[in-house]
Amino acid sequence: GAGVSQTPSNKVTEKGKYVELRCDPISGHTALYWYRQSLGQGPEFLIYFQGTGAADDSGLPNDRFFAVRPEGSVSTLKIQRTERGDSAVYLCASSLNGGNTDTQYFGPGTRLTVL
Amino acid sequence: GQNIDQPTEMTATEGAIVQINCTYQTSGFNGLFWYQQHAGEAPTFLSYNVLDGLEEKGRFSSFLSRSKGYSYLLLKELQMKDSASYLCAVSPNTGGFKTIFGAGTRLFVKA
Repeated sequence: GAGVSQTPSNKVTEKGKYVELRCDPISGHTALYWYRQSLGQGPEFLIYFQGTGAADDSGLPNDRFFAVRPEGSVSTLKIQRTERGDSAVYLCASSLNGGNTDTQYFGPGTRLTVL
Repeated sequence: GQNIDQPTEMTATEGAIVQINCTYQTSGFNGLFWYQQHAGEAPTFLSYNVLDGLEEKGRFSSFLSRSKGYSYLLLKELQMKDSASYLCAVSPNTGGFKTIFGAGTRLFVKA
């Protein structure tokens, strides 16, 4: 079946602009995660959804970052007033039931470049 | 605090065995994961350990010692396609749902 998909694959924007990154999880997966990964580093947790609700948003770096999952499937990560330090690969993952021990399946990521 | 340490890079020869170590310090523990990540691609799941001991899965095995905060990933009969980054990740027991990833170990397999 289809895996996790993310769009766009690449996004170049200017400092101060607003961007939206989209994630389509595996069908039937109730849990969805957003991470960001900088070169040479592991993924850094941003937010976790169980269904439509954000069960853990403790990884969001500041209030410029926001994510939604209105129907419990597709999720959008929104970044306001982008800064050069936001440049990274943004990874989305989904898992069947969520929780701390479920295997996460990652999408290919969106490479965000802020000029 | 939460901390995961693993070597930055390792090199091994095709056909050989390599062990990638991971030590962690986290607030509580719900399990440890290993993921493989090829350059420019998404991480893919390799193994999960929650109890002490060795879990074997084909050419890959993963070991956990909870008392020592230590794990290793063992790769046997190395193939060129095993050249990738190997990420150690811990699920802490902090009341939330984060997974904490290490920076990864880049493995280079040479002929």
